[in-house]
Amino acid sequence: LAKTTQPISMDSYEGQEVNITCSHNNIATNDYITWYQQFPSQGPRFIIQGYKTKVTNEVASLFIPADRKSSTLSLPRVSLSDTAVYYCLVGVRGSGNTPLVFGKGTRLSVIA
Amino acid sequence: DSGVTQTPKHLITATGQRVTLRCSPRSGDLSVYWYQQSLDQGLQFLIQYYNGEERAKGNILERFSAQQFPDLHSELNLSSLELGDSALYFCASSEGKGNALNTEAFFGQGTRLTVV
Repeated sequence: LAKTTQPISMDSYEGQEVNITCSHNNIATNDYITWYQQFPSQGPRFIIQGYKTKVTNEVASLFIPADRKSSTLSLPRVSLSDTAVYYCLVGVRGSGNTPLVFGKGTRLSVIA
Repeated sequence: DSGVTQTPKHLITATGQRVTLRCSPRSGDLSVYWYQQSLDQGLQFLIQYYNGEERAKGNILERFSAQQFPDLHSELNLSSLELGDSALYFCASSEGKGNALNTEAFFGQGTRLTVV
């Protein structure tokens, strides 16, 4: 799996847009980019997945530049309840024995 | 509610003992994954099963073992427990047999194991 690098932590005020960038310089052609969210003492929850350009759902947007060596998770107008750890994962979609491997993630703290 | 059920939610046991953690995957999901999360560590992948067969192995100690039964529920057995085994143990399930990145992986609420 491609190695990923994310900031360890970020702070934001309520109502702001938060962008978390993940670097994955050795991403392979077949790799997809997936983000998970984890609240304290809960299991991670899938947020969004993409391959290139932009993907948007009801929770977040994922921006992937043309070279795909990085990606940015964008959370619009965060609230206190968005305080969590966010994980970026890169791997091959639909492949064989490559399980979901998590890094350290980015700890987002939303302040009132 | 992810649809993945883990029991028990909390477990306190003494060093040297053996415990069994249970996971019921979402209906229809054939893959089950086990993870360990300690306070000072991230999510560590332990092992994956697909339709009853071991699919992938991560950083699982020899004192730990797992299996997936015909009804697709899975159990993680931890033996000769040490203080350092205290952690949150998560189970996840997905419909696919390979990398869970091909579809969403759904995580349970975890079992908090405390070894005293």
